[in-house]
Amino acid sequence: AQKITQTQPGMFVQEKEAVTLDCTYDTSDQSYGLFWYKQPSSGEMIFLIYQGSYDEQNATEGRYSLNFQKARKSANLVISASQLGDSAMYFCAMRDFMDSNYQLIWGAGTKLIIKP
Amino acid sequence: DTAVSQTPKYLVTQMGNDKSIKCEQNLGHDTMYWYKQDSKKFLKIMFSYNNKELIINETVPNRFSPKSPDKAHLNLHINSLELGDSAVYFCASSQARVSAGTQYFGPGTRLTVL
Repeated sequence: AQKITQTQPGMFVQEKEAVTLDCTYDTSDQSYGLFWYKQPSSGEMIFLIYQGSYDEQNATEGRYSLNFQKARKSANLVISASQLGDSAMYFCAMRDFMDSNYQLIWGAGTKLIIKP
Repeated sequence: DTAVSQTPKYLVTQMGNDKSIKCEQNLGHDTMYWYKQDSKKFLKIMFSYNNKELIINETVPNRFSPKSPDKAHLNLHINSLELGDSAVYFCASSQARVSAGTQYFGPGTRLTVL
């Protein structure tokens, strides 16, 4: 069965340091996508970054990058030069492209707190 | 020009009441979803509609009934509300072959059942 594991329930990081949020996934399929979302304390779910299983390069979006290691089935989110506004819950999710229901499998999330 | 909107944002009601949450998206997407997020922040898919057809119907009480009058709208009606229904309910939408089907979320509806 497909599964997403986020092993860090919470993290404290000093402002301006880089942050790595862990995500490992389990699937037997070859074609899938990995997503990261941010949920600040205000509650909305914000899409951050996407990585396809066939993408050869790691995805980047501004200060966000995805460290994709396919053989290890990991898709860690890296936030460079963290800011106070990065404090939030972060969710990793996976979609199997053979699933015609377009369903996302979600991790339990990591609560990131940036310290000034 | 909000992409995915939900109303109301907050809903406080008594046990046993019936309530509805409305969702609209102006992204032109063909698939819409309802999620429930519990107090531990775990996200659980409840329903999904693709072109007004129900494609995901997870194990939720039949007190919950989705309705999609058209591709841009997906409403959630809840009968006989119970304390355990208290949660944040998110609507989301996606387009199958656009951006790998990235789901875009509404602001959420915080439901409190007293």
